Amino acid sequence: AQSVTQLGSHVSVSEGALVLLRCNYSSSVPPYLFWYVQYPNQGLQLLLKYTSAATLVKGINGFEAEFKKSETSFHLTKPSAHMSDAAEYFCAVSEGSGGYQKVTFGTGTKLQVIP
Amino acid sequence: DTGVSQDPRHKITKRGQNVTFRCDPISEHNRLYWYRQTLGQGPEFLTYFQNEAQLEKSRLLSDRFSAERPKGSFSTLEIQRTEQGDSAMYLCASSFRDGNQPQHFGDGTRLSIL
Repeated sequence: AQSVTQLGSHVSVSEGALVLLRCNYSSSVPPYLFWYVQYPNQGLQLLLKYTSAATLVKGINGFEAEFKKSETSFHLTKPSAHMSDAAEYFCAVSEGSGGYQKVTFGTGTKLQVIP
Repeated sequence: DTGVSQDPRHKITKRGQNVTFRCDPISEHNRLYWYRQTLGQGPEFLTYFQNEAQLEKSRLLSDRFSAERPKGSFSTLEIQRTEQGDSAMYLCASSFRDGNQPQHFGDGTRLSIL
């Protein structure tokens, strides 16, 4: 069965510092991987997705993630944090067969950006 | 693309009452999903539809919960005889059929049980 582990439920960074949010996955087949962002009282917005093409995936708002099969990881990074990046981030894995994508989400990491 | 729309955004009700939520997906999407999200957790899958057919239901979806998508467009999620533990954010998402297409989420309905 597929699963996702997000290391660190809370991460604090200074404005302008590197953002690194960790995600490890477990999947019995080559996975699809996603990062979503959620602002308070809103739904989830897709940041980026990995679907077995390039291992370095660029997303919106300057975020990117690297798929490392040997480490079963899909960590999210951004070179320089902005105040507007403060939100909760969810890593998700999908291993759908026959076109159906059952998606399993991690428990989320809240990012705090300190001015 | 008007996005996924959910109504109401907030619902406060007394324990034991029935509630119904509505989701309007992105019009081109033929898949629709319902999730439940509690504080400090990621979304948990409840059920999904392909067009009007409900193809999978989670064990989380007790017999007090029922979901419909009668014409393959909007969907409703009804909770009967609500309990305190039903308090959560209920999220709807939609997607194209292809397996690698991401799900697009609405802003959710926050349910509070008094």
